[in-house]
Amino acid sequence: GAVVSQHPSWVICKSGTSVKIECRSLDFQATTMFWYRQFPKKSLMLMATSNEGSKATYEQGVEKDKFLINHASLTLSTLTVTSAHPEDSSFYICSATSIQLKGMNTEAFFGQGTRLTVV
Amino acid sequence: KQEVTQIPAALSVPEGENLVLNCSFTDSAIYNLQWFRQDPGKGLTSLLLIQSSQREQTSGRLNASLDKSSGRSTLYIAASQPGDSATYLCAVRGGSYIPTFGRGTSLIVHP
Repeated sequence: GAVVSQHPSWVICKSGTSVKIECRSLDFQATTMFWYRQFPKKSLMLMATSNEGSKATYEQGVEKDKFLINHASLTLSTLTVTSAHPEDSSFYICSATSIQLKGMNTEAFFGQGTRLTVV
Repeated sequence: KQEVTQIPAALSVPEGENLVLNCSFTDSAIYNLQWFRQDPGKGLTSLLLIQSSQREQTSGRLNASLDKSSGRSTLYIAASQPGDSATYLCAVRGGSYIPTFGRGTSLIVHP
């Protein structure tokens, strides 16, 4: 299957600073990337959908000015948590897909996630 | 809006038992359904992907079935082992191409 690399796998930052999380598709062009957040013992909640070259579409209740998503190329999307606070501590995971992957055009591939701790 | 439900929420069994995990979804217009495994503090590991035209998929001791018309999928784990302990998530992909997840089943297999 296709590979999605997410970096960093974990990060600790001070309250008020910004943190950038990268999601890369290594062997295919990801036309669409999804960003999820997972609270402890909860399921993955979709935060936003980003299409290459377009502004991200945020889910209701997700602050777009706080969670900045950039999808400037077909292999890279970034999520920046701005002015992070302890309540932003969570597990963030990206998913990439491409309608151009022959025979795999309906499968989504997931990164390994980023554990963010804001102190 | 698609809603995905997984039952049971938690399961604790002795080693060797055969298990059935359930996943149901409200909108049957899906492209596929995918089962994942998540170890504590880790990302997702894809186990099985069933396309909407398929009825089941098998990988080793795992077998997943799909009944799209009734909005149900089951993950069957044969001869469970302690190493199978993890959270199992199902995700459904519909017309929006956005995977929608259930809350997962937390499985503990004790020796």
